[in-house]
Amino acid sequence: GQQVMQIPQYQHVQEGEDFTTYCNSSTTLSNIQWYKQRPGGHPVFLIQLVKSGEVKKQKRLTFQFGEAKKNSSLHITATQTTDVGTYFCAGPSESNYQLIWGAGTKLIIKP
Amino acid sequence: AAGVIQSPRHLIKEKRETATLKCYPIPRHDTVYWYQQGPGQDPQFLISFYEKMQSDKGSIPDRFSAQQFSDYHSELNMSSLELGDSALYFCASSPPWLAGVSYEQYFGPGTRLTVT
Repeated sequence: GQQVMQIPQYQHVQEGEDFTTYCNSSTTLSNIQWYKQRPGGHPVFLIQLVKSGEVKKQKRLTFQFGEAKKNSSLHITATQTTDVGTYFCAGPSESNYQLIWGAGTKLIIKP
Repeated sequence: AAGVIQSPRHLIKEKRETATLKCYPIPRHDTVYWYQQGPGQDPQFLISFYEKMQSDKGSIPDRFSAQQFSDYHSELNMSSLELGDSALYFCASSPPWLAGVSYEQYFGPGTRLTVT
C-alpha cells in the first residue's frame, strides 16, 4: 500500500546546530504537508507544498518538495529550544481523503 | 481564532466500560477526522466525516463507532474498552476541499484516555 517514510527517527543536536528531516513517498503526491508536535501537545500544521521543486521558507525553517513530487525535506537552521518536538510529513492518499503520515522525526536538543 | 475543541481532556475508564469523546470542529470546516496516537507513534487515522456523512474509515476497531451531528460536532463512541485502547485521541477538522488540493488539518488538544 501507499507509504510515506520519514528519517531519521530521532536527531540529537546542540542548540545552534542545524536539523534536517527527510520524507519519501512510495507514490507521487499531489501535495505534502508538514506538522510539528511539541511534547505533550497536538500536531500543528506548518506548511503545505504543492508544486514540483517548490521551496518555501518560514524564518529558520526551509521546506522543499522534490521535482518528482515523491520526496520532501524540512531543514531548520540554528536550532533553538523552541524547536524541540516531533516533525511529521504527511501526504494525501491516492484513493481517499486520508493523510498518510510519516513516522515523524523527533528533534532533541542536547543539554 | 477559533480552534478545534475536544472534551473531555482526560478520561479514565476501566476495562469493558464505554467512553464517548466529543469534538467541535472549527466553524465552516466541513470535514472531521479522528486519530489515535500511542506513545512515540504517529497519529493513526480512525475515521472521517464529510458534511455529516462518513467519508473514510481507517484502522478503527469494530468496538468503536462515530458520527457527526447536524451542528457538525462529532462523537467517538468506544465500547468494551481494552487496556490497549489507552492513547491520545485527536480530532482534526479541515476546510472545504478544492479539487486536486487537500487542505491542512487543524487538530484539537486531544483526549487522553487511560483504561485500567
